[in-house]
Amino acid sequence: EVQLVESGGGLVQPGRSLKLSCAASGFTFSNYYMAWVRQAPKKGLEWVATISTSGSRTYYPDSVKGRFTISRDNAKSSLYLQMNSLKSEDTATYYCARLVHRDYFDYWGQGVMVTVSS
Amino acid sequence: ETVLTQSPTTTAASPGEKVTITCRASSSVSYMHWYQQKSGASPKLWIYDTSKLASGVPNRFSGSGSGTSYSLIISSIETEDAATYYCQQKSSDPLTFGSGTKLEIK
Repeated sequence: EVQLVESGGGLVQPGRSLKLSCAASGFTFSNYYMAWVRQAPKKGLEWVATISTSGSRTYYPDSVKGRFTISRDNAKSSLYLQMNSLKSEDTATYYCARLVHRDYFDYWGQGVMVTVSS
Repeated sequence: ETVLTQSPTTTAASPGEKVTITCRASSSVSYMHWYQQKSGASPKLWIYDTSKLASGVPNRFSGSGSGTSYSLIISSIETEDAATYYCQQKSSDPLTFGSGTKLEIK
């Protein structure tokens, strides 16, 4: 059974940093592109970052480029999201998701809440 | 950026009724994918590659479309279908989602 379990969320002040983790199991992690998707309270879904199978290629939307860094450790079947210079608009539930053909998400984690507030 | 506009934003239907949710893209896309999200839960892949049902999705659901206009159709609503449905495209970067359609059951 595919499982994605996020951790590392919490309350953080504007301008500070936070690192999210996602532990994957039930599939060969190194074979899949992975991504982070977020959802602000009572809002829609927003793609945040994608990483290639080896980790050599990463992709971001303009809203987080230069502030967020996605990475992975295939030996540990783990995905990470380093978030720097956090803003109030980054407040959201962050989901780890598995990408199929770099095109759509077939499995999602339960999500982890990040609140950016002073 | 390809903007996806869903309509309606909210809709209510009685059990047994047919419902159509539309997703219009600001530029042509090759495929559309759909997700179902129930309150307090993570999104679930529902329809992929425009018309293929994800595992476990009832066959009262279907998807269609091409170019800039795509639809998710529920032939006969059941109470368990109450949720928000999102469309998503990856034909052009960046990957984008529609703003969602909330389906309520009368």
